[in-house]
Amino acid sequence: QSALTQPPSASGSPGQSVTISCTGTSSDVGGYNSVSWYQQHPGKAPKLMIYEVTKRPSGVPDRFSGSKSGNTASLTVSGLQAEDEAHYYCISYAGTSSYVVFGGGTKLTVL
Amino acid sequence: QVQLVQSGPEVKKPGASVKVSCKASGYTFIGYYMHWLRQAPGQGLEWLGWINPNSGGTIYAEKFQGRVIMTRDTSITTLYMALNRLRSDDTAVYYCARDQEWQHLLYYFDSWGQGTLVTVSS
Repeated sequence: QSALTQPPSASGSPGQSVTISCTGTSSDVGGYNSVSWYQQHPGKAPKLMIYEVTKRPSGVPDRFSGSKSGNTASLTVSGLQAEDEAHYYCISYAGTSSYVVFGGGTKLTVL
Repeated sequence: QVQLVQSGPEVKKPGASVKVSCKASGYTFIGYYMHWLRQAPGQGLEWLGWINPNSGGTIYAEKFQGRVIMTRDTSITTLYMALNRLRSDDTAVYYCARDQEWQHLLYYFDSWGQGTLVTVSS
């Protein structure tokens, strides 16, 4: 059982927007602005898409955005494209006892 | 550009040990912490710990303390992760992943190795 709760699946049609949630506690998501999101295609290594809750690494399209409210972080993918179909994982810093905690992943399907 | 190239797949018997390597290039090796993570088949990600390539200092996740050892060889810009007393539930793809910022621990993994499948089976 993962420390952070993500929906197992999400879907949307091309051009639509979809939001994936990541719910933790005040000891992780709610306690630090240290949430990151990763995209993983089958058989590939994860790719950093969002860090520090809202920031995008260079090269990541601005269709990807992050936010946080309380103990829940969210990843929004706007203008869905076929290549966005993948698994998405959230990760949060959790202090010097657990260090990092993970969501169980969300499979995003582009219909 | 940053490249992390890992060693090939391994098949081990329960109770054995495995050592996975991660050859780094394209950046200043000693300036960035390196993490090791794993992903069991069809499952999510799990963090094993990090190593400071400059000092050799390490921190391991509590679950793996006593079973994992992370080392590095600065002369060949290579990092290693050894896992001992293997069990069947250690079967997973093991990744090295670089922390994002120079000489800081942020737990943002901006570059990843291609992964090494370790299979534990009798």
